[in-house]
Amino acid sequence: AQSVSQHNHHVILSEAASLELGCNYSYGGTVNLFWYVQYPGQHLQLLLKYFSGDPLVKGIKGFEAEFIKSKFSFNLRKPSVQWSDTAEYFCGAGGNKLTFGGGTRVLVKP
Amino acid sequence: DGGITQSPKYLFRKEGQNVTLSCEQNLNHDAMYWYRQDPGQGLRLIYYSQIVNDFQKGDIAEGYSVSREKKESFPLTVTSAQKNPTAFYLCASSIRGATRQETQYFGPGTRLLVL
Repeated sequence: AQSVSQHNHHVILSEAASLELGCNYSYGGTVNLFWYVQYPGQHLQLLLKYFSGDPLVKGIKGFEAEFIKSKFSFNLRKPSVQWSDTAEYFCGAGGNKLTFGGGTRVLVKP
Repeated sequence: DGGITQSPKYLFRKEGQNVTLSCEQNLNHDAMYWYRQDPGQGLRLIYYSQIVNDFQKGDIAEGYSVSREKKESFPLTVTSAQKNPTAFYLCASSIRGATRQETQYFGPGTRLLVL
């Protein structure tokens, strides 16, 4: 069975700090990977996705993620966070039937 | 203005009562999905439908039922058999659902509370 794990449940950091959120998956076969973000009171929206090709994927709002096949990982990064990045972040793996991790709540202090 | 709408935003249910959550999309997507979001557990798939008049169980289908009579609509009924229904319910859609390389688009969600 496929599974996705996000190691950090809560992250608190200051503005301009760098952010890295871990995501590991187990999935048989070719995998598609996603990061979604849920800002307070808003819809879940896509940050970035990996289907194939360059394993370093750039998304919206300065986020990027790197697919490392040997480590079954798809970690999300942002070099310098802003207060507006306060949100809950979800990693997803699979395809038409997605499996999500438990989410990571990120609080950026101004 | 294209998108996915869910209603109501908040829903209260009494013990032993069935309730139905609405999900409508005007994106002309074939596939639709229902997820349940609980703190610390992420999103878990309840049911999904890849085409009208067809749907499949997800990972936690017990106590739920769905129908897909129209392409635009995928209502979810939370039955009295669902023992822990209090949660945030998210509906999503994707273009076809038949391939793995698709993005799912989410609605604003319905928060269900049991009284």
